[in-house]
Amino acid sequence: GQQLNQSPQSMFIQEGEDVSMNCTSSSIFNTWLWYKQEPGEGPVLLIALYKAGELTSNGRLTAQFGITRKDSFLNISASIPSDVGIYFCAGRGSQGNLIFGKGTKLSVKP
Amino acid sequence: EAQVTQNPRYLITVTGKKLTVTCSQNMNHEYMSWYRQDPGLGLRQIYYSMNVEVTDKGDVPEGYKVSRKEKRNFPLILESPSPNQTSLYFCASSSSGAVGIYGYTFGSGTRLTVV
Repeated sequence: GQQLNQSPQSMFIQEGEDVSMNCTSSSIFNTWLWYKQEPGEGPVLLIALYKAGELTSNGRLTAQFGITRKDSFLNISASIPSDVGIYFCAGRGSQGNLIFGKGTKLSVKP
Repeated sequence: EAQVTQNPRYLITVTGKKLTVTCSQNMNHEYMSWYRQDPGLGLRQIYYSMNVEVTDKGDVPEGYKVSRKEKRNFPLILESPSPNQTSLYFCASSSSGAVGIYGYTFGSGTRLTVV
């Protein structure tokens, strides 16, 4: 089936640093989504991307839909302690369902 | 408040004892889905439903059943739970539109332990 490769698996950064994570696939996706999961909660949608090449921002977060439609990245600028959590990319599969990457666990040192 | 509600939040059960995890959404969404989350494996889809009476298998359907008799409810049934079904389960729902799925809204999760 369709799969997403998300990297890095985990990150330990200092408060104030910028963060970058990405997802790649061997398949084309028509929609890319980025979610954040905090401890004890379900994932919450951060950014949705619908067009190849699209660049979208949500506060300090910026995500791009790769031009080949096989990749996407998420950047977080000037990280703060509340950015801690697991970030998931997701692509809309051929059946209309969402396929998730394995997540990037972000830890921020004050 | 628009939400997806799962119950229970925590459940400890014994091997072989049938159980049902309920999921309900109040957003009139067509799509509903169940995922399990395990360390290092991310979110894996169990079953999904594109509308009432329409369900399909996800990536890891073995040992699970679902039903979609009403638009708002999508229960997950474990007929004979086994320890390898110990996991964190999430229900999610979504509307569809001209540009496709807008993204799932997730419930708060059900942590299931099978002993």
